[in-house]
Amino acid sequence: DSGVTQTPKHLITATGQRVTLRCSPRSGDLSVYWYQQSLDQGLQFLIQYYNGEERAKGNILERFSAQQFPDLHSELNLSSLELGDSALYFCASSQPGARATNEKLFFGSGTQLSVL
Amino acid sequence: GESVGLHLPTLSVQEGDNSIINCAYSNSASDYFIWYKQESGKGPQFIIDIRSNMDKRQGQRVTVLLNKTVKHLSLQIAATQPGDSAVYFCAENIRGYSTLTFGKGTMLLVSP
Repeated sequence: DSGVTQTPKHLITATGQRVTLRCSPRSGDLSVYWYQQSLDQGLQFLIQYYNGEERAKGNILERFSAQQFPDLHSELNLSSLELGDSALYFCASSQPGARATNEKLFFGSGTQLSVL
Repeated sequence: GESVGLHLPTLSVQEGDNSIINCAYSNSASDYFIWYKQESGKGPQFIIDIRSNMDKRQGQRVTVLLNKTVKHLSLQIAATQPGDSAVYFCAENIRGYSTLTFGKGTMLLVSP
């Protein structure tokens, strides 16, 4: 158990809908990362938050947004869903005080999103 | 469980053999590398890491080798066990950036 909690484990929805994925980082970790894993693209970095503020942005679509709350949990919002958004979405957190680089990430078990 | 890729390179070994999984990286500014193991239906799990000022690092049954000259990373697993069957990813951190970039992964299949 990595200590990173993601809910829900599975989500089935229809095109055009909006969903929210939730992540609780390991106790004491300030950074939260969101990754998307699909069959053809592998693990793709979406966005990082550090202590409530956006720190880095990857290949995140404009239809997607995220935030990190004062209690450090994070939510990833996916809107106007398309069939191609079906994927595994992982949250990860890094070690305490990880403002620096070179820190290992600890991953949650993921949310499997199926858009029908 | 979910499949993490239908077109992954696959390494098939017998139980007890040593396994070597390779990874090439392209950015010479990468200075930190990690190997992750992902079992079906689970998130990536940290195995071992290495910084660019090292060539080799050993863990329990695993060794990571870094060749900066040819930008190559390898993971060696000694006495491979059926429980080692999984997809293995290398990840790199580019100096000055806080995120990890993942490779495509290699599937390791261990036969009893």
